[in-house]
Amino acid sequence: DIQMTQSPPSLSASVGDRVTITCRTSQTIYRYLNWYQHKPGTAPKLLIFGGSRLRSGVPSRFSGGGSGTAFTLTISSLQPEDLATYSCQQSYTTPWTFGQGTKVEF
Amino acid sequence: QVQLQESGPGLVKSSETLSLSCTVSGGSISSYHWSWIRQPPGKGLEWIGYIFYNGSTNYNPSLKDRVTISVATSRTQFSLRLRSVTAADTAVYYCARTPGSDHVTFFDSWGQGTQVTVSS
Repeated sequence: DIQMTQSPPSLSASVGDRVTITCRTSQTIYRYLNWYQHKPGTAPKLLIFGGSRLRSGVPSRFSGGGSGTAFTLTISSLQPEDLATYSCQQSYTTPWTFGQGTKVEF
Repeated sequence: QVQLQESGPGLVKSSETLSLSCTVSGGSISSYHWSWIRQPPGKGLEWIGYIFYNGSTNYNPSLKDRVTISVATSRTQFSLRLRSVTAADTAVYYCARTPGSDHVTFFDSWGQGTQVTVSS
């Protein structure tokens, strides 16, 4: 299985901050990397797919980058509604695997 | 917009079978893969497996010997059965639509999740 390592496990930031979350994989996955936002008690939401493709309707302050084994999710200006856990997921090969998540707090 | 809703018992006894259903509304079950995903307490998400509308399946090898995913004849529901459960199967279980092709696949619509606890 492809192992996914996210960092940091949690971070504290302020409204307006630029936030970057990193996801590293145990082998190359080219650009087949997705990002999700998850708030307690709600359905997870797809933010980014294919490494950098912003899902329709997702605010443009979210962006994804990277390729190979290193990827980033960046929130350019953190908003109060962005309090959540963010998880990466590789779709290069089954079993599809997820990172452990990064909890963004204020 | 498609909506998904999980349903099933919240408590299952150890060694028994966990059975969950996912009802799909606002869209067709055809032409997509449909997945089950779970999140044990304090851990990351784990993909369990998927079913294509035509019935073909792909399971996580870590669970393959115990899991069955099926589509109901109504074509508005798909189900998960996990046999011989243990405490390690305690988790929030999600169903999700899985569009895309080749490697560009993702989970674009999710249910809200249902907590399943395995008791001894």
